[in-house]
This record gives sequence, C-alpha cells and structure tokens, in this order.
Amino acid sequence: SAVISQKPSRDICQRGTSLTIQCQVDSQVTMMFWYRQQPGQSLTLIATANQGSEATYESGFVIDKFPISRPNLTFSTLTVSNMSPEDSSIYLCSVEGGSGTDTQYFGPGTRLTVL
Amino acid sequence: GQQLNQSPQSMFIQEGEDVSMNCTSSSIFNTWLWYKQDPGEGPVLLIALYKAGELTSNGRLTAQFGITRKDSFLNISASIPSDVGIYFCAGQAAGNKLTFGGGTRVLVKP
Repeated sequence: SAVISQKPSRDICQRGTSLTIQCQVDSQVTMMFWYRQQPGQSLTLIATANQGSEATYESGFVIDKFPISRPNLTFSTLTVSNMSPEDSSIYLCSVEGGSGTDTQYFGPGTRLTVL
Repeated sequence: GQQLNQSPQSMFIQEGEDVSMNCTSSSIFNTWLWYKQDPGEGPVLLIALYKAGELTSNGRLTAQFGITRKDSFLNISASIPSDVGIYFCAGQAAGNKLTFGGGTRVLVKP
C-alpha cells in the first residue's frame, strides 16, 4: 500500500486562526480524500480533492471553511479556516488508485485542538 | 443518506476468546471494508471484500460480505491483547465514497 504522511501530526490553535494540513503520498494516486473524526466519533468525509480542479464537498462542508488544494497526484492540503473549539478533531487524508492502492488507505491523521 | 449500523458499540475480550462484530445498512454497497484504529493513529485496513457472499481471512481475522450486499461481519479468533482498539466497517458504493459505521471499541476484560 501507499505510504502516506501528514503534517503537522498535532497542533493547538487559537480561536479565529487558520491551520493548513498537508498530506503527502509516496506514489501517484488517482483519488485523495479528507475526513474529519470528532472526539469519540466515527469518520465523516469532508471532500474529495480533485487534481487540477475544485474539490467536491459533502453536505455540511463548504469551501470557505475548508479550502482544499491538490496541485499534483501526490500532494494535497486542507485548511481549517477561522477555527472555533467545535473544529477540534482529528483530520485524516486517504488515498485510492495508485500502485498498490486498490482501496482506500489512510494517513496517520492530524490532531487539532482549538482553544 | 446512507447509514451503517455497527454493533456492538463496545465489547470486552479475554485472551483466547473469539469475538464478532457486524454492520448492517439500508443500502447496497459494492465493497465492504474493515479497518482498525489504534489511539493516535489513522485507520489501518484489515480486510477488503468485493463480492457478495465473499468470505476472506487475514490471519486470525475473518470477514464476510453479506449475500444481500447490505451487511458484513468481522470475526477475530483467539484474541490477544493487541487486538484492543476501535474497529470500523465501511461501505463503498459508486463514486469511491466510503460510509463508516460507528465503530466497535474492543477492550480487555479487567
């Protein structure tokens, strides 16, 4: 399977600020996704990161709050904008469709705490 | 939208026991996946199921894709302490999107 890294692994941020999370894959993949996992909860899909075009957002998530970039087939960023304590979660990227990725594999996650 | 009901929500295991968990859905999925998540980590894929009726093993783990395509179970045989964690089922319909179950938290009996 693909090796996926995320930066930062964790952060503590102040209300009203923004944080950009990076996801790097060691091989080219077709699909990249961003998920949110609120404390003690399951995973919820935020959006599909499309290479060379705007991301596709799920119901309840909007581009102004969670802008996403995907400049190439191995890298994506998710920004959590104008943060509030309710944004405290683990943010995970996943990938599908490259060498050894016939289904979705997840990165280690970014644990965000907003004060 | 699609929902997956995963049960039990939590369970206690004793070393050597067999344990089982399952997921049911009101919708049909093309693929069923089982993941395990340890504290501070991302989910790790355990088993992927691609055909209705498919029964697949990975070491002590066995999972089946229900014949109706609306359910799946995961069995862990002869459990060991490192089986502790949270197990998630996920269904994949068209379009690559995954829908996750609520998770089964596996704990060790005190």
